Amino acid sequence: NAGVTQTPKFQVLKTGQSMTLQCAQDMNHEYMSWYRQDPGMGLRLIHYSVGAGITDQGEVPNGYNVSRSTTEDFPLRLLSAAPSQTSVYFCASNLDRTRPNTEAFFGQGTRLTVV
Amino acid sequence: LAKTTQPISMDSYEGQEVNITCSHNNIATNDYITWYQQFPSQGPRFIIQGYKTKVTNEVASLFIPADRKSSTLSLPRVSLSDTAVYYCLVQRDSSYKLIFGSGTRLLVRP
Repeated sequence: NAGVTQTPKFQVLKTGQSMTLQCAQDMNHEYMSWYRQDPGMGLRLIHYSVGAGITDQGEVPNGYNVSRSTTEDFPLRLLSAAPSQTSVYFCASNLDRTRPNTEAFFGQGTRLTVV
Repeated sequence: LAKTTQPISMDSYEGQEVNITCSHNNIATNDYITWYQQFPSQGPRFIIQGYKTKVTNEVASLFIPADRKSSTLSLPRVSLSDTAVYYCLVQRDSSYKLIFGSGTRLLVRP
């Protein structure tokens, strides 16, 4: 059982480039979310999804797009990277409808640097 | 969701009990209190969750007074490996969004 898998682990982008951060979970969780964590700070919610085909914005959605075509995958897209998006990105999943209010499982993170 | 307030940092020594208190004055009736632990370069990890009174698992205990305006995470006999950031969250029963504050940086010394 792999849990939540994020790729890549590290990425350097030039300003204006685009890329997709991948997130996959194998726990059949319905809820998935993306967070960013800046140095010395807590995590901030970017986007989330309560199921395939359903996404919504979190606290800091600007500059990011998401889609949820399957239960397992929840990619995060940066359309035009900016230095302000330099951060560590975490994907999380939870919500097993057989166990309400369950814990969230986080991936290992993607460390993104935009130069 | 209720805003949480917790100490920025705490120091302790190996073998001691550590208590981290979190304030959540505006907690609502259907809110739960959840604690996560985060090691450097890793994602947060769930520790414990409670609604009222006391909850205990193999890792920690969570004490919640009757008014639920605060909670205390208790880590018994900490070791060096407990050095981490600990986040207190108020989680709405009907929502699965997690709102993180700045957390408490716990440093355990030999």
